[in-house]
Amino acid sequence: GAVVSQHPSRVICKSGTSVKIECRSLDFQATTMFWYRQFPKQSLMLMATSNEGSKATYEQGVEKDKFLINHASLTLSTLTVTSAHPEDSSFYICSATSWGGEKLFFGSGTQLSVL
Amino acid sequence: GESVGLHLPTLSVQEGDNSIINCAYSNSASDYFIWYKQESGKGPQFIIDIRSNMDKRQGQRVTVLLNKTVKHLSLQIAATQPGDSAVYFCAEKDTNAGKSTFGDGTTLTVKP
Repeated sequence: GAVVSQHPSRVICKSGTSVKIECRSLDFQATTMFWYRQFPKQSLMLMATSNEGSKATYEQGVEKDKFLINHASLTLSTLTVTSAHPEDSSFYICSATSWGGEKLFFGSGTQLSVL
Repeated sequence: GESVGLHLPTLSVQEGDNSIINCAYSNSASDYFIWYKQESGKGPQFIIDIRSNMDKRQGQRVTVLLNKTVKHLSLQIAATQPGDSAVYFCAEKDTNAGKSTFGDGTTLTVKP
């Protein structure tokens, strides 16, 4: 099956620093990638939809200047949490789908802890 | 109490019993439904899907039932095993709109 690789799996950073999370589709071309945020014991909250070569579409309430998304190639999307604060601590997950595909293939998630 | 989208937030079953996890969806335009399993600290894993032109689909040890009249989806797991312990999410998708919406999740605990 399709594999989505997400790195890092865990990151601890100081308040005010920026953190980049990578999401790669290893064996298919991901025309669309999605970024989610998940708090403990809660469901996935869609943050943004990223199409290769175009600007990401952010969900209502998600600050696009704080959560920078880049989808420069058909196999890589990145999420950068800029000037991270403790309230940004969360589990971030990416998913990817190929053109015309319906199934979502998920990365393994990144646990971000901001001190 | 009930969670939006799921009838029960937690479910505890004995190993070997069958499990049934329920989900209510809200968008009548949704035409594609998926069940995911998420283990602690990991990303969701695809289990089974069903399109709106079907009302039942079977996989290995899992069955998904869809009742469009009452907008209800269920996942049945046969002979539940300890490895099935996880959080299970349903997701609905309007394929014309392109986005999937996830339910709240049910935590399944399998007792040996």
